[in-house]
Amino acid sequence: EAGVVQSPRYKIIEKKQPVAFWCNPISGHNTLYWYRQNLGQGPELLIRYENEEAVDDSQLPKDRFSAERLKGVDSTLKIQPAELGDSAVYLCASSPSVVDTQYFGPGTRLTVL
Amino acid sequence: QKEVEQDPGPLSVPEGAIVSLNCTYSNSAFQYFMWYRQYSRKGPELLMYTYSSGNKEDGRFTAQVDKSSKYISLFIRDSQPSDSATYLCAMSGSSGSARQLTFGSGTQLTVLP
Repeated sequence: EAGVVQSPRYKIIEKKQPVAFWCNPISGHNTLYWYRQNLGQGPELLIRYENEEAVDDSQLPKDRFSAERLKGVDSTLKIQPAELGDSAVYLCASSPSVVDTQYFGPGTRLTVL
Repeated sequence: QKEVEQDPGPLSVPEGAIVSLNCTYSNSAFQYFMWYRQYSRKGPELLMYTYSSGNKEDGRFTAQVDKSSKYISLFIRDSQPSDSATYLCAMSGSSGSARQLTFGSGTQLTVLP
């Protein structure tokens, strides 16, 4: 069974530039999560999807961050414009439902210069 | 004060040693307790999952939960160099905002051959 796929794995951009991350969850997993992990910290939830509906986005900085999950499968997280403080690893995770184990992808390491 | 506190280490032990990793928490709504292992440049992977107070054993790993003290532990017996990773505790409740995973900051472990 393929795991959670994320791309790109690494991204370096200058501040004020836009950036987008893509996630393909495990087949059949209805719940999808985006986390941000700062250096030396645990992951922090940004947004959770149940199928195509964003059901928990309270931690998503909506002035510059946006996300979508088309057709309840793949998801894209976007930052526009990026700031220096956005440098982190962005992790995508999926689970069959909200009460099940979350499986994480390898993450996208973002560096904002 | 963070909801979940975890000693960041780093922790360095010789091969074969018994390792003890710990987390404390403040939110009484937490009912589910997990330990994730995260290798460098990888996403977290679930290692242990417990619900009730007490011990749960899986091979060389034992997870211990003491809800009365709001304290959880992970013990690794006969530690191996392949156990070198960052260990993250995580916990969640059954409803509302507590349902989402709250992670500790992680403990970096190195097992020396």
